[in-house]
Amino acid sequence: GAVVSQHPSRVICKSGTSVKIECRSLDFQATTMFWYRQFPKQSLMLMATSNEGSKATYEQGVEKDKFLINHASLTLSTLTVTSAHPEDSSFYICSAYRDPKAFFGQGTRLTVV
Amino acid sequence: QKEVEQNSGPLSVPEGAIASLNCTYSDRGSQSFFWYRQYSGKSPELIMFIYSNGDKEDGRFTAQLNKASQYVSLLIRDSQPSDSATYLCAVERSSGYSTLTFGKGTMLLVSP
Repeated sequence: GAVVSQHPSRVICKSGTSVKIECRSLDFQATTMFWYRQFPKQSLMLMATSNEGSKATYEQGVEKDKFLINHASLTLSTLTVTSAHPEDSSFYICSAYRDPKAFFGQGTRLTVV
Repeated sequence: QKEVEQNSGPLSVPEGAIASLNCTYSDRGSQSFFWYRQYSGKSPELIMFIYSNGDKEDGRFTAQLNKASQYVSLLIRDSQPSDSATYLCAVERSSGYSTLTFGKGTMLLVSP
């Protein structure tokens, strides 16, 4: 079946630094990928929709200058959390759509200290 | 704002029983509905999807959809301890573009 790979699975960074998370579709091309954030005991909240070759579409309340998304190829989307702060600590999950299903990456546990 | 509502639980059932998980949604134009299972600290995995009113069965799982009532459910027969997880209901937005709105999930606990 389709596989979406996300890297890294865990990252700890200092406050004020930036972190890049990669999301790859391994056996299919994904023109659209999605980035979610999940806080403890909460549901997945869509942050942005990443479109290959164009600008990402951000959900209301998500700072586009803080969460930089690049979807430069049909198999790779990256999310960069810039100037991370402790409140950005969360579980970040990417998803790629292959009709009729969305497949999820393994998730990235970000801890900002 | 389009919402997906689920009882947070936990829903506790004994091994071998039927677990019934429910979900309501507000986006009347939604056409596609999904159930995901999420173990603690892990990413969601797809259990089932359903598009048409009625029942859809896959092994021990049955998804039920009633678009008029804006209601979707998941039945798990012969529940196993390994089924203990959080079950997320997801609804594709009527705006399309494969964008899903997730409920907060129902925690299921299956006791041996």
